[in-house]
Amino acid sequence: ELKVEQNPLFLSMQEGKNYTIYCNYSTTSDRLYWYRQDPGKSLESLFVLLSNGAVKQEGRLMASLDTKARLSTLHITAAVHDLSATYFCAVDTSDTDKLIFGTGTRLQVFP
Amino acid sequence: ETGVTQSPTHLIKTRGQQVTLRCSSQSGHNTVSWYQQALGQGPQFIFQYYREEENGRGNFPPRFSGLQFPNYSSELNVNALELDDSALYLCASSLNRIDEQYFGPGTRLTVT
Repeated sequence: ELKVEQNPLFLSMQEGKNYTIYCNYSTTSDRLYWYRQDPGKSLESLFVLLSNGAVKQEGRLMASLDTKARLSTLHITAAVHDLSATYFCAVDTSDTDKLIFGTGTRLQVFP
Repeated sequence: ETGVTQSPTHLIKTRGQQVTLRCSSQSGHNTVSWYQQALGQGPQFIFQYYREEENGRGNFPPRFSGLQFPNYSSELNVNALELDDSALYLCASSLNRIDEQYFGPGTRLTVT
């Protein structure tokens, strides 16, 4: 069964600092997604990564995918308070037609 | 282009009752997936509907059932509500079965 693990589960970081969230998955996946979720809200799509070596950037966030290592990273550059949220990675395969989500990383950015 | 919509936004029910949640898919999308997100956890797949047929189901009991209509909107029904059913229920639509899913705003269900 496909499993997705994220670490860390909780991340408290100072504004201006850099950090990386890791997402490991257990079997071959066709696509990897990163979502942001604010408290009580739905999921906001950040990135869709489709192939090995894919890298996407939006503002202070950059996501990458290594399909051989079954690893994706979400790198945060010079964090700001507005980035405080919970971040989920999710994977799917053409076999399952469903998304399997990681446990989530709760990010808190303080001054 | 209208995105995915869900109703109601919030709902409070008593244990043992039944509930129906609704989802309107994005224009042109024929597939709807439902997820349950308990507090502090990631979303869990409940089931998916493709062209009015169930197309995959997660590890949820039969009291969770669904329906998809000819216009591809969908309902999630939960019978005999339990306290653990309290969660955010997310609906997502996609162009086809294996395309990217777009999430609605969710329905917050509280069971007391």
